[in-house]
Amino acid sequence: DTEVTQTPKHLVMGMTNKKSLKCEQHMGHRAMYWYKQKAKKPPELMFVYSYEKLSINESVPSRFSPECPNSSLLNLHLHALQPEDSALYLCASSRQGRAEKLFFGSGTQLSVL
Amino acid sequence: DAKTTQPPSMDCAEGRAANLPCNHSTISGNEYVYWYRQIHSQGPQYIIHGLKNNETNEMASLIITEDRKSSTLILPHATLRDTAVYYCIVRATSGGSYIPTFGRGTSLIVHP
Repeated sequence: DTEVTQTPKHLVMGMTNKKSLKCEQHMGHRAMYWYKQKAKKPPELMFVYSYEKLSINESVPSRFSPECPNSSLLNLHLHALQPEDSALYLCASSRQGRAEKLFFGSGTQLSVL
Repeated sequence: DAKTTQPPSMDCAEGRAANLPCNHSTISGNEYVYWYRQIHSQGPQYIIHGLKNNETNEMASLIITEDRKSSTLILPHATLRDTAVYYCIVRATSGGSYIPTFGRGTSLIVHP
């Protein structure tokens, strides 16, 4: 199994809602990533988890809250988002190490109304 | 952090080779060059990576110059399905973690 599965594929939420994005992989990867991608822009790194611990937070606002409950799962909890947070949210995983490639999911297309 | 520079767009005729250049003049000796591509509305897909030597796999070839300051991704026989944005990435480091940072990439259009 070389897939990273993200759910849901599409999400529409209001600014007062609380929702969560989910990401799952069964490749035994110990590094997991969240990226945000606006239309016609490259993906921007948000968070990196290494061995279930948050290792990088790229100054992401606190309305985005990541969680890594175990080595296969990565969540992104969303609360009080703004319309400008509408984007494609991508999850990726990799083995640890300097020369390891990333496997990406298909993303969650989020619209904040 | 090593940065990469790519042309914003290129086009190629179907069946011909597509040669996508990337400049990474500040690359350090132990940093790898990675290539990914992203087809519209999908997640990026790994293509190939290399350190010093040229590399080839079933998808593409990677040619790295001897001084390592630039590289070229070669799709030997481009098809319409190769139309995508191609990203050249040098893996930067931060506090021991390796951060794959995407630049603007090259939008490749393969036409019939």
